[in-house]
Amino acid sequence: GAVVSQHPSRVICKSGTSVKIECRSLDFQATTMFWYRQFPKKSLMLMATSNEGSKATYEQGVEKDKFLINHASLTLSTLTVTSAHPEDSSFYICSGRRQGTDTQYFGPGTRLTVL
Amino acid sequence: GNSVTQMEGPVTLSEEAFLTINCTYTATGYPSLFWYVQYPGEGLQLLLKATKADDKGSNKGFEATYRKETTSFHLEKGSVQVSDSAVYFCALSDQTGANSKLTFGKGITLSVRP
Repeated sequence: GAVVSQHPSRVICKSGTSVKIECRSLDFQATTMFWYRQFPKKSLMLMATSNEGSKATYEQGVEKDKFLINHASLTLSTLTVTSAHPEDSSFYICSGRRQGTDTQYFGPGTRLTVL
Repeated sequence: GNSVTQMEGPVTLSEEAFLTINCTYTATGYPSLFWYVQYPGEGLQLLLKATKADDKGSNKGFEATYRKETTSFHLEKGSVQVSDSAVYFCALSDQTGANSKLTFGKGITLSVRP
């Protein structure tokens, strides 16, 4: 149990376009979802935390107008990278957590390449 | 702020060799400590955790002991298998409940040769 999926697994887009990444908890209700960014040979960097039905809480240095996060249901959160630029190219990972627990369940990640 | 430091990798071992992956941390208060594993093409999975000093987390033959005096949480396995080849992340959470967030180390790639 506790499976999280992400879609798409990889996406290539042109500079200036927007890209939406979906994160779904398949067999549990994720009251909290997290979005991370992973750079090559570096640790996962937390971008934002979102609770279902509330606005996301962004970490320092993360532009909330650029990385739009929506957590409209207990099983779905989306990350939209707006007006993407080559420096936004990265591996984006989401995770979900059940209410009252401290264990996060991770998705397989989405590789974004901006040309 | 919080931080997690892992030994530099990658690590290559022969099957049945002994494994140690070092992890040290800096945190305020009394964090919970975790090891996550990422197999090729999959998401991170919780391998084991420890929530207080001297606790030992264990799973699938892996063990790690929460050492407050050395601020360490080293991962060990007595006899690795080819199927253990993966990326291993050490992490901490300095709060519990709704406000808990994870701070990760850089991860280390383990390759086990037959």
